[in-house]
Amino acid sequence: NAGVTQTPKFQVLKTGQSMTLQCAQDMNHEYMSWYRQDPGMGLRLIHYSVGAGITDQGEVPNGYNVSRSTTEDFPLRLLSAAPSQTSVYFCASSYGDTGAEQYFGPGTRLTVT
Amino acid sequence: EDKVVQSPLSLVVHEGDTVTLNCSYEVTNFRSLLWYKQEKKAPTFLFMLTSSGIEKKSGRLSSILDKKELSSILNITATQTGDSAIYLCASSSNTGKLIFGQGTTLQVKP
Repeated sequence: NAGVTQTPKFQVLKTGQSMTLQCAQDMNHEYMSWYRQDPGMGLRLIHYSVGAGITDQGEVPNGYNVSRSTTEDFPLRLLSAAPSQTSVYFCASSYGDTGAEQYFGPGTRLTVT
Repeated sequence: EDKVVQSPLSLVVHEGDTVTLNCSYEVTNFRSLLWYKQEKKAPTFLFMLTSSGIEKKSGRLSSILDKKELSSILNITATQTGDSAIYLCASSSNTGKLIFGQGTTLQVKP
């Protein structure tokens, strides 16, 4: 049981490049979320999903796309990276709903130059 | 707009001290209040408080939810250097969103 896994652990992009951050969980959780963490700002919700085929926007969705074709996977796409997207990204999942205990992945540190 | 605010933002204490961290929330259709501890990596779950469970305790840590004041506190007694971390508070609503506060950075000195 691997829990929540994220790849890559580190990534450096140039402005304008695109990439996908991968997230997978093997706990059969319905709810999955993406957060970004910047110094002094806690965790900010980017997008979340309440089940396969259903996604919705969080607090800071601009510049990011998501899809949820399976229960296990919830990739986050950066369409055209900007320096403002330099951050640490966490994926999380929970059983039941987002009000329940969330299990976090190890994070991806992204730098956009 | 849903909002969660934590105070203080940072705190320095000595081992053995007792600390109280605060969290206030303004959330439409509130469901639960969660506390997490973050030490350099991903946050780890501490407590979840709901309307039916407003007080939780685990060892030296305890938390209370005040539904009238829309706030929660996290108490840590007899602090140890291993308690040094960022403590995050989050609130959920029935829309499915989980909104976090800015976090409180606690440093416990020997």
